[in-house]
Amino acid sequence: GAGVSQSPSNKVTEKGKDVELRCDPISGHTALYWYRQSLGQGLEFLIYFQGNSAPDKSGLPSDRFSAERTGGSVSTLTIQRTQQEDSAVYLCASSFTGPNSNSPLHFGNGTRLTVT
Amino acid sequence: GNSVTQMEGPVTLSEEAFLTINCTYTATGYPSLFWYVQYPGEGLQLLLKATKADDKGSNKGFEATYRKETTSFHLEKGSVQVSDSAVYFCALSDASGSEKLVFGKGTKLTVNP
Repeated sequence: GAGVSQSPSNKVTEKGKDVELRCDPISGHTALYWYRQSLGQGLEFLIYFQGNSAPDKSGLPSDRFSAERTGGSVSTLTIQRTQQEDSAVYLCASSFTGPNSNSPLHFGNGTRLTVT
Repeated sequence: GNSVTQMEGPVTLSEEAFLTINCTYTATGYPSLFWYVQYPGEGLQLLLKATKADDKGSNKGFEATYRKETTSFHLEKGSVQVSDSAVYFCALSDASGSEKLVFGKGTKLTVNP
């Protein structure tokens, strides 16, 4: 596909379970971001991967959250022992280089996570 | 740290009205500034950007000017259309660090015919 693909589009899980969210960036894009969108809270930065550099994990809210990017392409965001406050839309975005270049961020449609 | 503050919505206008959505920022150095738009049922997409002071970004009739003296990047459109109904996000990138984007909370705009 031509855009950023995220799966699943919706995920309902029970409190305490682990979940994995997947992001397929646009081919050739070196930068990949994860954001969380909660009602009334805007977009909260979670983690940023750029090429082979160490990721910027400064936005991860707790050690229950982790992310990896294999082979510089697909990324997986893992939330362990989910809590109700983790319910949100998780957005992935990619760009050819950083946002200060001429390449904008391309966002996926997100994964809506509901923790019951 | 870096932050973005934008006017709270929702904003409701009639077609052909003038639109202003205020955005101010706090940042070290010289960030780049952006407006992103999220139409109903779609993903976020870049609307316009400005990379240095006094630059004006423009697209689809929308404009925003990078004002360093007032640390602002207000979004304006002279005559809105129903199709402009969306959520608008102001954002900045950290020019001195990892370049991650920091977003405001978003402003929902509804344009009525």
